[in-house]
Amino acid sequence: QSVLTQPPSASGTPGQRVTISCSGSSSNIGSNFVYWYQQVPGTAPKLLIYRSNQRPSGVPDRFSGSKSGTSASLAISGLRSEDEADYYCATWDDSLSAWVFGGGTRLTVL
Amino acid sequence: QVQLQESGPGLVKPSQTLSLTCTVSGGSISSGSYYWNFIRQPAGKGLQWIGRIYTSGDTNYNPSLKSRVTMSVDTSKNQFSLKLASVTAADTAVYYCARAPTSDDVFDIWGQGTMVTVSS
Repeated sequence: QSVLTQPPSASGTPGQRVTISCSGSSSNIGSNFVYWYQQVPGTAPKLLIYRSNQRPSGVPDRFSGSKSGTSASLAISGLRSEDEADYYCATWDDSLSAWVFGGGTRLTVL
Repeated sequence: QVQLQESGPGLVKPSQTLSLTCTVSGGSISSGSYYWNFIRQPAGKGLQWIGRIYTSGDTNYNPSLKSRVTMSVDTSKNQFSLKLASVTAADTAVYYCARAPTSDDVFDIWGQGTMVTVSS
């Protein structure tokens, strides 16, 4: 059971916009930045969004992040086949004094 | 550019201690302000943060693993290490090392990961 809750799956067709949610509590998302990682199966995760809504250089602006209260979202617009991957949210939990991750969302591009 | 590489036994017997090393190349482990982390992922499951160490030796561990985890750093070898005691099959996973700048505390560089199986 993950501290952060994500839907196990999401899907969309090429060109569509997809949103992945991440729900937490006041001790984690409510008090800290949220980070999003993309993981193609068999490879290491890659940073996608930091500080809730910032993109590292090299990440397309099709990816965007937002946070409100104890929830966060990752939006992917103009969906492409190469976006098919697992997506994880993460944040620091003040009560646990530990990094916590969501259970991951498997994105399928139909 | 900085790269991380995990190394260690791929098979560990139950009740024994899992030992992994992460070697930092392309830069000094002591330069800049970074946390050096271990994260694991059981097959088909999500990511779990194990702990982190600063080059001063200060550590933070996941409370669920704290009683069994020890991390250390060897600046002369540009390496940091993980020891996980009293392992069971539940500790079977891909283990990653990752760097996190203290300014952003984001896992910005990851190793490729190493599979560790706990089995007799």
